[in-house]
Amino acid sequence: QGLLQESGPGLVKPSETLSLTCTVSSGSIRGYYWNWIRQPPGKGLEWMGHISYSGSTDYSPSLKSRVTISRDTSKSQISLELTSVTAADTALYYCARGQSQYSSLDYWGQGTLVTVSS
Amino acid sequence: DIQLTQSPSSLSASVGDRVTITCRASQSINIYLNWYQFKPGKAPKPLIHAATNLHGGVPSRFSGSGSGTEFTLSISSLQPEDFAIYYCQHSSTTLYTFGQGTKLEIK
Repeated sequence: QGLLQESGPGLVKPSETLSLTCTVSSGSIRGYYWNWIRQPPGKGLEWMGHISYSGSTDYSPSLKSRVTISRDTSKSQISLELTSVTAADTALYYCARGQSQYSSLDYWGQGTLVTVSS
Repeated sequence: DIQLTQSPSSLSASVGDRVTITCRASQSINIYLNWYQFKPGKAPKPLIHAATNLHGGVPSRFSGSGSGTEFTLSISSLQPEDFAIYYCQHSSTTLYTFGQGTKLEIK
Protein backbone atom coordinates (compact mmCIF):
# COMPACT_ATOMS: atom_id res chain seq x y z
CA GLN A 1 0.00 0.00 0.00
CA GLY A 2 1.34 3.37 -1.00
CA LEU A 3 1.35 6.74 0.69
CA LEU A 4 -2.13 7.63 -0.56
CA GLN A 5 -5.22 5.43 -0.60
CA GLU A 6 -8.53 6.49 -2.11
CA SER A 7 -11.73 4.92 -0.78
CA GLY A 8 -15.46 5.25 -1.14
CA PRO A 9 -18.54 3.69 -2.75
CA GLY A 10 -17.91 2.11 -6.10
CA LEU A 11 -21.48 2.74 -7.23
CA VAL A 12 -23.47 5.96 -6.95
CA LYS A 13 -26.96 6.64 -8.26
CA PRO A 14 -27.64 9.48 -10.70
CA SER A 15 -28.48 12.81 -9.03
CA GLU A 16 -26.85 11.70 -5.77
CA THR A 17 -23.59 12.90 -4.18
CA LEU A 18 -20.31 11.12 -4.77
CA SER A 19 -18.11 11.13 -1.66
CA LEU A 20 -14.52 9.88 -1.59
CA THR A 21 -11.75 9.92 0.96
CA CYS A 22 -7.99 9.95 0.46
CA THR A 23 -6.06 8.64 3.46
CA VAL A 24 -2.42 9.58 3.85
CA SER A 25 -0.54 6.73 5.47
CA SER A 26 2.41 8.55 6.97
CA GLY A 27 3.08 12.01 8.26
CA SER A 28 0.95 15.08 8.44
CA ILE A 29 -1.15 16.38 5.58
CA ARG A 30 -0.25 19.91 6.59
CA GLY A 31 2.31 21.62 4.42
CA TYR A 32 1.13 20.18 1.12
CA TYR A 33 -1.39 20.73 -1.65
CA TRP A 34 -3.84 17.86 -2.08
CA ASN A 35 -5.40 17.33 -5.48
CA TRP A 36 -8.20 15.25 -6.98
CA ILE A 37 -7.93 14.10 -10.58
CA ARG A 38 -10.27 11.82 -12.51
CA GLN A 39 -10.14 9.72 -15.65
CA PRO A 40 -13.32 8.53 -17.37
CA PRO A 41 -12.99 5.09 -18.98
CA GLY A 42 -11.01 5.33 -22.19
CA LYS A 43 -10.46 9.07 -21.82
CA GLY A 44 -7.83 11.47 -20.55
CA LEU A 45 -7.19 13.11 -17.22
CA GLU A 46 -9.25 15.90 -15.71
CA TRP A 47 -7.89 17.93 -12.80
CA MET A 48 -10.81 18.57 -10.44
CA GLY A 49 -9.33 20.80 -7.76
CA HIS A 50 -7.05 21.07 -4.77
CA ILE A 51 -6.82 22.21 -1.17
CA SER A 52 -3.75 24.11 -0.08
CA TYR A 53 -1.75 23.94 3.13
CA SER A 54 -3.69 26.98 4.35
CA GLY A 55 -6.98 25.23 3.64
CA SER A 56 -7.90 27.39 0.65
CA THR A 57 -9.36 25.61 -2.35
CA ASP A 58 -9.32 25.96 -6.14
CA TYR A 59 -11.62 24.07 -8.46
CA SER A 60 -11.85 23.37 -12.14
CA PRO A 61 -14.25 25.92 -13.64
CA SER A 62 -16.23 23.10 -15.28
CA LEU A 63 -16.89 21.45 -11.90
CA LYS A 64 -16.85 24.42 -9.54
CA SER A 65 -20.60 24.46 -8.89
CA ARG A 66 -20.65 20.78 -7.87
CA VAL A 67 -17.34 19.98 -6.17
CA THR A 68 -16.03 20.44 -2.64
CA ILE A 69 -12.62 19.39 -1.35
CA SER A 70 -11.94 19.40 2.37
CA ARG A 71 -9.42 17.98 4.82
CA ASP A 72 -9.33 16.47 8.30
CA THR A 73 -5.82 16.96 9.62
CA SER A 74 -6.49 14.87 12.73
CA LYS A 75 -7.29 11.85 10.54
CA SER A 76 -4.78 12.67 7.75
CA GLN A 77 -7.62 12.54 5.24
CA ILE A 78 -8.67 14.61 2.26
CA SER A 79 -12.26 14.38 1.06
CA LEU A 80 -14.01 14.93 -2.25
CA GLU A 81 -17.71 15.57 -2.70
CA LEU A 82 -19.34 15.85 -6.10
CA THR A 83 -23.02 16.62 -6.18
CA SER A 84 -25.75 15.84 -8.72
CA VAL A 85 -23.76 13.15 -10.46
CA THR A 86 -24.59 11.73 -13.89
CA ALA A 87 -23.16 8.89 -15.96
CA ALA A 88 -20.55 11.37 -17.22
CA ASP A 89 -19.03 11.33 -13.74
CA THR A 90 -18.17 7.64 -14.02
CA ALA A 91 -14.39 7.61 -13.72
CA LEU A 92 -11.28 6.44 -11.93
CA TYR A 93 -10.67 9.03 -9.21
CA TYR A 94 -7.14 9.77 -8.01
CA CYS A 95 -5.78 11.84 -5.18
CA ALA A 96 -2.29 13.29 -5.53
CA ARG A 97 0.08 15.41 -3.46
CA GLY A 98 1.88 18.58 -4.45
CA GLN A 99 4.63 20.31 -2.50
CA SER A 100 3.34 23.74 -3.47
CA GLN A 101 1.02 25.46 -5.93
CA TYR A 102 3.71 25.46 -8.61
CA SER A 103 5.13 22.01 -8.05
CA SER A 104 4.39 18.73 -9.76
CA LEU A 105 2.24 16.03 -8.20
CA ASP A 106 4.86 13.86 -6.55
CA TYR A 107 2.73 11.12 -5.00
CA TRP A 108 -0.45 9.55 -6.36
CA GLY A 109 -2.87 6.97 -5.12
CA GLN A 110 -3.79 3.99 -7.29
CA GLY A 111 -7.23 5.45 -7.85
CA THR A 112 -10.72 4.23 -7.10
CA LEU A 113 -13.35 3.50 -9.72
CA VAL A 114 -16.74 5.11 -9.27
CA THR A 115 -19.63 4.12 -11.50
CA VAL A 116 -22.75 6.25 -11.70
CA SER A 117 -25.72 4.06 -12.49
CA SER A 118 -29.20 3.34 -11.22
CA ASP B 1 -7.96 28.08 -18.87
CA ILE B 2 -4.57 27.15 -20.21
CA GLN B 3 -4.89 24.35 -22.75
CA LEU B 4 -2.18 21.75 -23.30
CA THR B 5 -1.91 19.95 -26.64
CA GLN B 6 0.16 16.78 -26.77
CA SER B 7 1.45 15.17 -29.93
CA PRO B 8 1.39 12.56 -31.14
CA SER B 9 -1.64 10.98 -29.49
CA SER B 10 -0.12 7.55 -30.11
CA LEU B 11 3.29 6.31 -31.08
CA SER B 12 4.65 2.91 -32.06
CA ALA B 13 8.31 2.25 -31.41
CA SER B 14 10.76 -0.55 -30.77
CA VAL B 15 12.97 -1.35 -27.80
CA GLY B 16 16.12 0.74 -28.13
CA ASP B 17 14.48 3.53 -30.14
CA ARG B 18 14.61 7.18 -29.15
CA VAL B 19 11.20 8.85 -28.95
CA THR B 20 10.03 12.40 -28.33
CA ILE B 21 6.63 13.62 -27.19
CA THR B 22 5.64 17.27 -27.50
CA CYS B 23 3.37 19.34 -25.27
CA ARG B 24 2.29 22.82 -26.36
CA ALA B 25 0.61 25.33 -24.08
CA SER B 26 -1.99 27.85 -25.24
CA GLN B 27 -0.05 30.59 -23.44
CA SER B 28 3.29 30.89 -21.70
CA ILE B 29 3.63 28.70 -18.61
CA ASN B 30 7.28 29.56 -17.94
CA ILE B 31 8.82 26.26 -16.82
CA TYR B 32 5.82 24.93 -14.88
CA LEU B 33 5.34 21.80 -16.95
CA ASN B 34 5.39 18.29 -15.53
CA TRP B 35 5.31 14.79 -17.07
CA TYR B 36 3.79 11.55 -15.76
CA GLN B 37 3.72 7.90 -16.78
CA PHE B 38 0.52 5.90 -16.46
CA LYS B 39 0.18 2.13 -16.49
CA PRO B 40 -3.07 0.20 -15.86
CA GLY B 41 -3.58 -0.82 -12.25
CA LYS B 42 -0.60 1.14 -10.96
CA ALA B 43 -0.24 4.48 -9.24
CA PRO B 44 0.85 7.10 -11.78
CA LYS B 45 4.55 7.82 -11.76
CA PRO B 46 5.92 11.36 -11.83
CA LEU B 47 8.81 11.64 -14.28
CA ILE B 48 9.78 15.26 -14.84
CA HIS B 49 9.03 18.43 -12.88
CA ALA B 50 9.60 22.06 -13.85
CA ALA B 51 10.19 21.08 -17.48
CA THR B 52 13.66 19.58 -17.12
CA ASN B 53 14.13 18.02 -13.67
CA LEU B 54 13.93 14.26 -13.16
CA HIS B 55 12.02 13.02 -10.14
CA GLY B 56 14.00 10.80 -7.83
CA GLY B 57 14.50 7.27 -9.10
CA VAL B 58 13.60 8.08 -12.72
CA PRO B 59 16.14 6.58 -15.15
CA SER B 60 18.43 9.02 -16.93
CA ARG B 61 17.15 7.85 -20.33
CA PHE B 62 14.19 10.17 -19.64
CA SER B 63 14.72 13.88 -20.25
CA GLY B 64 12.63 17.00 -20.56
CA SER B 65 13.17 20.31 -22.25
CA GLY B 66 11.41 23.54 -23.08
CA SER B 67 10.00 26.70 -21.61
CA GLY B 68 7.25 29.15 -22.41
CA THR B 69 4.80 27.30 -24.64
CA GLU B 70 6.68 24.33 -26.10
CA PHE B 71 8.00 21.34 -24.20
CA THR B 72 9.28 17.88 -24.98
CA LEU B 73 9.70 14.59 -23.19
CA SER B 74 12.35 12.32 -24.67
CA ILE B 75 13.26 8.73 -23.94
CA SER B 76 16.71 7.98 -25.29
CA SER B 77 16.64 4.19 -25.53
CA LEU B 78 13.24 2.60 -25.00
CA GLN B 79 13.01 -0.25 -22.54
CA PRO B 80 10.13 -2.74 -22.35
CA GLU B 81 8.85 -1.13 -19.15
CA ASP B 82 8.53 2.27 -20.88
CA PHE B 83 5.49 1.29 -22.95
CA ALA B 84 2.75 3.25 -21.23
CA ILE B 85 0.66 6.41 -21.55
CA TYR B 86 2.38 9.74 -20.92
CA TYR B 87 0.70 12.96 -19.84
CA CYS B 88 1.93 16.51 -19.47
CA GLN B 89 0.44 18.84 -16.86
CA HIS B 90 0.97 22.52 -16.09
CA SER B 91 1.15 24.07 -12.64
CA SER B 92 1.72 27.68 -13.64
CA THR B 93 -1.56 28.91 -12.18
CA THR B 94 -3.85 27.68 -9.44
CA LEU B 95 -5.98 25.91 -12.07
CA TYR B 96 -4.11 22.95 -13.49
CA THR B 97 -4.76 21.14 -16.76
CA PHE B 98 -3.42 17.99 -18.38
CA GLY B 99 -2.60 17.19 -21.96
CA GLN B 100 -4.71 14.55 -23.65
CA GLY B 101 -2.03 11.88 -23.35
CA THR B 102 0.31 9.97 -25.63
CA LYS B 103 0.06 6.17 -25.82
CA LEU B 104 3.45 4.62 -26.45
CA GLU B 105 3.08 1.14 -27.94
CA ILE B 106 5.47 -1.59 -28.95
CA LYS B 107 6.00 -1.84 -32.70
